Amino acid sequence: KNQVEQSPQSLIILEGKNCTLQCNYTVSPFSNLRWYKQDTGRGPVSLTIMTFSENTKSNGRYTATLDADTKQSSLHITASQLSDSASYICVVSGSGGSYIPTFGRGTSLIVHP
Amino acid sequence: GAVVSQHPSRVICKSGTSVKIECRSLDFQATTMFWYRQFPKQSLMLMATSNEGSKATYEQGVEKDKFLINHASLTLSTLTVTSAHPEDSSFYICSAGLAGGIRTGELFFGEGSRLTVL
Repeated sequence: KNQVEQSPQSLIILEGKNCTLQCNYTVSPFSNLRWYKQDTGRGPVSLTIMTFSENTKSNGRYTATLDADTKQSSLHITASQLSDSASYICVVSGSGGSYIPTFGRGTSLIVHP
Repeated sequence: GAVVSQHPSRVICKSGTSVKIECRSLDFQATTMFWYRQFPKQSLMLMATSNEGSKATYEQGVEKDKFLINHASLTLSTLTVTSAHPEDSSFYICSAGLAGGIRTGELFFGEGSRLTVL
């Protein structure tokens, strides 16, 4: 069964600090991995998308890494801002018959001033 | 990026009534759309895959007679919650991908529709 596990479940940091969120998956065969940011009561917004051949991708202060061998990804947030407070969701899609995305439970990030 | 619009964003209804939620891809055609349900502080739970011109594929445990999905055009899918009950109160979100996008990459999400059943 395809699974996506995220850690930590929740995280509280001070404004200006960096943090790293983790995503482990068992989806196979692998096609792509996406990180989304979801503000409370809103739909998810895409941050990054990576395919098998990519091991890092940046979007402003967000940098995602992918290790397809160990089936792990991380999302690093640099110089956090109050507006970064949200849920961060890791979504993995397989290829062929496994193309329907599998969602992680998300990491709830709270940035305090 | 591409835009997916959901309507209504909030709806309150009485128990026993039916509610329709629309999901539109505004600037692209989507042969496949997904419908999700999200409870507070939990991740999105896939309910069904909506395919244009054919029957939706429902996930295990999701009642297809309860949650009617119609994908009549390449830009519109609708979810109808029939005979709604308070336990159907939730946040419903749709997503759609560009041609080939479902398999290769980008999924775009609507803003969600919060349903409250009294």
